[in-house]
Amino acid sequence: ETGVTQTPRHLVMGMTNKKSLKCEQHLGHNAMYWYKQSAKKPLELMFVYNFKEQTENNSVPSRFSPECPNSSHLFLHLHTLQPEDSALYLCASSQTSGGANEQFFGPGTRLTVL
Amino acid sequence: GQNIDQPTEMTATEGAIVQINCTYQTSGFNGLFWYQQHAGEAPTFLSYNVLDGLEEKGRFSSFLSRSKGYSYLLLKELQMKDSASYLCAVRDTGTASKLTFGTGTRLQVTL
Repeated sequence: ETGVTQTPRHLVMGMTNKKSLKCEQHLGHNAMYWYKQSAKKPLELMFVYNFKEQTENNSVPSRFSPECPNSSHLFLHLHTLQPEDSALYLCASSQTSGGANEQFFGPGTRLTVL
Repeated sequence: GQNIDQPTEMTATEGAIVQINCTYQTSGFNGLFWYQQHAGEAPTFLSYNVLDGLEEKGRFSSFLSRSKGYSYLLLKELQMKDSASYLCAVRDTGTASKLTFGTGTRLQVTL
């Protein structure tokens, strides 16, 4: 498998549920990212990990908890979410060694919070 | 912080040329990216500019003026499959590759 994969592709959960989103990259990159994409709003950066270390937390509520066990895997643990958290959650990866270092995105998880 | 502006929607005819503008105000700048996103799909990388001037890649070109905080994406010989959202993103200075995105320009290509 190549590129950036995400599971599940669709998720419906209640406000009291706990669920996790998974992202895996097969590109040998050292940085991984979580973004939130809501309708009519820009892609919002949530978290950045570089060589497994969190380097950015963009004031994300604690009901979103990221985990990066290694440079190829990234998780987003969800608990007690709100309906306004319904969105497309995108994972991306990149190198950070200089040059373009463009980010490669996964297909996303469409999350609906009831 | 970063502020990025681009038009919300544009319409153009198949075979024509369209220019999508992006202006930005930033506290730091380390490159500007354009991404294409079809409905329901992931954004895909189109182009990168860090120095002033034009970068050409097939039917797509991107221009940057750092002094004016301005970029545009030029699409030539439009095809129906070019109907998509086009996202402008600016990279901040710093150790991580932190991107700030505009809201995107939804392009509709018509016959």
